[in-house]
Amino acid sequence: QKEVEQNSGPLSVPEGAIASLNCTYSDRGSQSFFWYRQYSGKSPELIMSIYSNGDKEDGRFTAQLNKASQYVSLLIRDSQPSDSATYLCAVGRAAGNKLTFGGGTRVLVKP
Amino acid sequence: NAGVTQTPKFQVLKTGQSMTLQCAQDMNHNSMYWYRQDPGMGLRLIYYSASEGTTDKGEVPNGYNVSRLNKREFSLRLESAAPSQTSVYFCASSEFESLNYEQYFGPGTRLTVT
Repeated sequence: QKEVEQNSGPLSVPEGAIASLNCTYSDRGSQSFFWYRQYSGKSPELIMSIYSNGDKEDGRFTAQLNKASQYVSLLIRDSQPSDSATYLCAVGRAAGNKLTFGGGTRVLVKP
Repeated sequence: NAGVTQTPKFQVLKTGQSMTLQCAQDMNHNSMYWYRQDPGMGLRLIYYSASEGTTDKGEVPNGYNVSRLNKREFSLRLESAAPSQTSVYFCASSEFESLNYEQYFGPGTRLTVT
């Protein structure tokens, strides 16, 4: 079992719809959770961080964390073609500051 | 404020050649990291430096060495390149204080070993 798992996709979403991405992790000691966006041929770009159970909203993005169930999700509202990218989930423990990345979910937003 | 910079952007090596990938950050971050990204394998940590003067192995350290030259700079060296080291290499940095563990990535180096 991988430490951080994501559906590889592609997740095809009509423009204007909500894209829902999920990530599960195996280490119960995890305390920090991140979503990165990566365009083809580019480097990962941090879009959300979440440390506490519940929802965190930033613009069109909402991250949701449930430590009891060991999952973190990302919602993209009003999806735009520019949101087409691979989204990486990363999970870390407080000690050592090492992150473990999932394989990423490819999102395609169709006009 | 350039963030994290990496040189070179592209490199082609022959098997057995050596090279050093350079990374620098201007965010006054304490921690720095080297990752490689391969299709189907995701991002994997090679080495990291939690603070100036310390380095530790990550998930895939074999065939690599690192040097934390100062707080700003963290280099990755391939002593004898192998085709299995063909990959995209990313450097990242993090403040790692005040419970801020966010990592910020450089633009990457695309390395091909023939």
